[in-house]
Order: sequence, then structure tokens, then C-alpha cells
Amino acid sequence: NAGVTQTPKFRVLKTGQSMTLLCAQDMNHEYMYWYRQDPGMGLRLIHYSVGEGTTAKGEVPDGYNVSRLKKQNFLLGLESAAPSQTSVYFCASSRVGEQYFGPGTRLTVT
Amino acid sequence: GESVGLHLPTLSVQEGDNSIINCAYSNSASDYFIWYKQESGKGPQFIIDIRSNMDKRQGQRVTVLLNKTVKHLSLQIAATQPGDSAVYFCAEKEGSQGNLIFGKGTKLSVKP
Repeated sequence: NAGVTQTPKFRVLKTGQSMTLLCAQDMNHEYMYWYRQDPGMGLRLIHYSVGEGTTAKGEVPDGYNVSRLKKQNFLLGLESAAPSQTSVYFCASSRVGEQYFGPGTRLTVT
Repeated sequence: GESVGLHLPTLSVQEGDNSIINCAYSNSASDYFIWYKQESGKGPQFIIDIRSNMDKRQGQRVTVLLNKTVKHLSLQIAATQPGDSAVYFCAEKEGSQGNLIFGKGTKLSVKP
């Protein structure tokens, strides 16, 4: 099992550009999550999904969109990147209980 | 809103000593708690969890204690090793449909 994988690992964007982060899990988990982590901060939930075809807003959803067209994939989109979105992004998946995290994507917006 | 916090942002211990990392939570309805370890440049890794119907749970070299009266959670690491150096996060959850709420983390440094 690869667990939770994320692509890309690193990305640099200019303000106003768009991009999509891909998360994939091979554990047949129903729940998937996108978090951001800023220096000295804990993880903050952006969006999550409780199953294929469903998405919901988390704590900090503004400026992001998500889609869960397939159970194993959860996409995070930035339509018009802003410097405030410079962060490390983590995807996670779970059944009920503990969440399994991917290795993260480091995004810099200049 | 409710939040999970930590008493100390950094903790430095000698190799071989025991470590205790503390966490305060404020949502009395939370019924599930997790400790995660995050090494530099990696994603958080599950260490141990505990449900609110328990007050202690032991794993390999780790023990989690839950005191619901004062809403306090602690992680004890026995015989701390250099490989234990990381940031440790506690997280809480309310109900089966609730999302995890993470604390800001405690950095553990192990001196050889």
C-alpha cells in the first residue's frame, strides 16, 4: 500500500495563477481532507469529503475549491493564487477515527 | 470556537529520560483524542489515540493519559531517543461525524 500520496511535492506560482493539487489514497477510505500548515501553527482544515461526489467546507475554505469525482482521489484547486496561500498543504484520509496523512505539498506564491 | 492548546511550545530532554507533553482541550463534548508526531519535512504520523471512556492507554514506549475533569491530555514517551525529536500535535474530535481539531504543536528536542 502506498497510503496517501500527493502531487506535486513543490510548486512556485505567481499571483493570479491557478493550479490543482492531487491527493490519492489506496486504503478505500470514505473520508478525505485537505489541510494547510503555516509556520508555528497547527493544521487548519480547508475542505473535506465524506464520500465520493461530496465535499464540504472546513475552517479556512476561501480561495480554494475541491472535487471528489472518484473515491480514491481528492483534488484541491486554487483558481487565482495569492501570497497568503503560501503554505504547506497536507491531504489525509480516514474511515472513522485516525487520519492518515500524505507527505505534503510546499506551495510558494510570489 | 473551541480549540485545542498546548502548555509548552518546546521541550528539551536528555536521551534516555522520559518525556511528557501536555495538551489542554476546551470542548467538553470531544470524545476522541489523537496524538500525532511530525518530523521535519514530513506529514503527521499517528502515534496513539484514546476515547473518552478511557483514562489511560499504552502503546510501545508511549502512554496517553486523559483527565476529563480538567480537560487535559498528556503523552508520555519512555526512554526518549534521538529519533523521537519532532513536533507533537494533539487533536480532538466530537462524535463520529466531527472533524479533528489540532493544537499548535510542541517541539521535542532530544539531547544525546
